[in-house]
Amino acid sequence: RKEVEQDPGPFNVPEGATVAFNCTYSNSASQSFFWYRQDCRKEPKLLMSVYSSGNEDGRFTAQLNRASQYISLLIRDSKLSDSATYLCVTTGANNLFFGTGTRLTVIP
Amino acid sequence: EAGVAQSPRYKIIEKRQSVAFWCNPISGHATLYWYQQILGQGPKLLIQFQNNGVVDDSQLPKDRFSAERLKGVDSTLKIQPAKLEDSAVYLCASSPFGGGPYEQYFGPGTRLTVT
Repeated sequence: RKEVEQDPGPFNVPEGATVAFNCTYSNSASQSFFWYRQDCRKEPKLLMSVYSSGNEDGRFTAQLNRASQYISLLIRDSKLSDSATYLCVTTGANNLFFGTGTRLTVIP
Repeated sequence: EAGVAQSPRYKIIEKRQSVAFWCNPISGHATLYWYQQILGQGPKLLIQFQNNGVVDDSQLPKDRFSAERLKGVDSTLKIQPAKLEDSAVYLCASSPFGGGPYEQYFGPGTRLTVT
């Protein structure tokens, strides 16, 4: 079983829409969770951490549900520049486990 | 601050040939990672170094892949001989000593095509 599973999409949404991604993780002992963003043909970059209490950064909100072992990312008021692949990430002892990524395209 | 440097950026080889990739981490970063990212998938860890020692190489196909970080700074990843399924982007990342596993900074990657 994969450490992290995500719906690969693609999600095609109009500008201004709200879109949500979920991912599930298999290791109940995972301590830390993140969302990375990866633009086409670029390297992954940390978007935000995911805290147990949920956290918000501008138009982005991340949630963690430990009981159900899933993580979510909500993007409000989508911009064209949000078009990218969003990678769900959990941690092992010393490294990261990446999901396959969910591809988002924001349409004008 | 300069980022993680990788070279070459692109490489095309025939199957059964050998190839080597180079990575120079961010200055002062003790931990270095090599990932393989196949098209449509997330990055998969191949090997992790702490200074010049290997921390985790459980996912490295050791019959054909090798990596070294002799002086605890830059690193090379080698594939010999290459197979078609090795076509992927090879990402190098680094992390400061004492940083959590999430504090990883990625280089631009080397895109390998095996024909």
